[in-house]
Amino acid sequence: QFQLQESGPRLVKPSQTLSLTCTVSGGSINTGGYYWNWIRQLPGKGLEWIGYIHFTGSATYYNPSLSGRVSMSIDTSENQFSLDLHSVSAADTAVYYCATGLGFNWFDPWGQGVLVTVSP
Amino acid sequence: DVQMTQSPSSLSASPGDRVTITCQASQDISNYLNWYQQKPGKAPKLLINDASNLETGVPLRFSGSGSGTVFTFTINSLQPEDIATYFCQQYDDLPLTFGGGTKVEI
Repeated sequence: QFQLQESGPRLVKPSQTLSLTCTVSGGSINTGGYYWNWIRQLPGKGLEWIGYIHFTGSATYYNPSLSGRVSMSIDTSENQFSLDLHSVSAADTAVYYCATGLGFNWFDPWGQGVLVTVSP
Repeated sequence: DVQMTQSPSSLSASPGDRVTITCQASQDISNYLNWYQQKPGKAPKLLINDASNLETGVPLRFSGSGSGTVFTFTINSLQPEDIATYFCQQYDDLPLTFGGGTKVEI
């Protein structure tokens, strides 16, 4: 069973890029059929799926709600995948989770989440 | 996008009560619906997939039903440890979307 752990800066300035990494343990990120996801939860609000990347790196999907500001990458040698969210504003302050799943059907398991604050 | 509308947004119940949460999809999503439990300060945990399939290890007092556009999540005999926010999530179409959540209190 996979375990996931997010890491990255907790404070980002407006207009800069929010960058997070998810380290996967308990199995290989190359495991066939798995998709690697980012999800965020705005303070006191619901959940928003940011998108996924396939372990090959060749298949990605980004939620159009983020207006083309998202990019994801995967490093199979480090068993990690990453999120870049560009041109952030205070509205991007949220708890960011990484999660996986067989196919892009459901999310299980999740990382513990990391609160990222966008502030000058 | 498929809009997922959950109701109620919050509820208060007593131990032993039966609790029911509804999730309505803006279009037919067949049975492509999951339910998660999120306890304060924790990540969501998958409880039910495909509308009614209980994940391994999830207590039998939890159940899900429905198909098409209306889905129901039920806790039979609410326990104190069930205090959490519950979310539905559809995977019939991209982008994957969640309901707004239902906070269950005692």
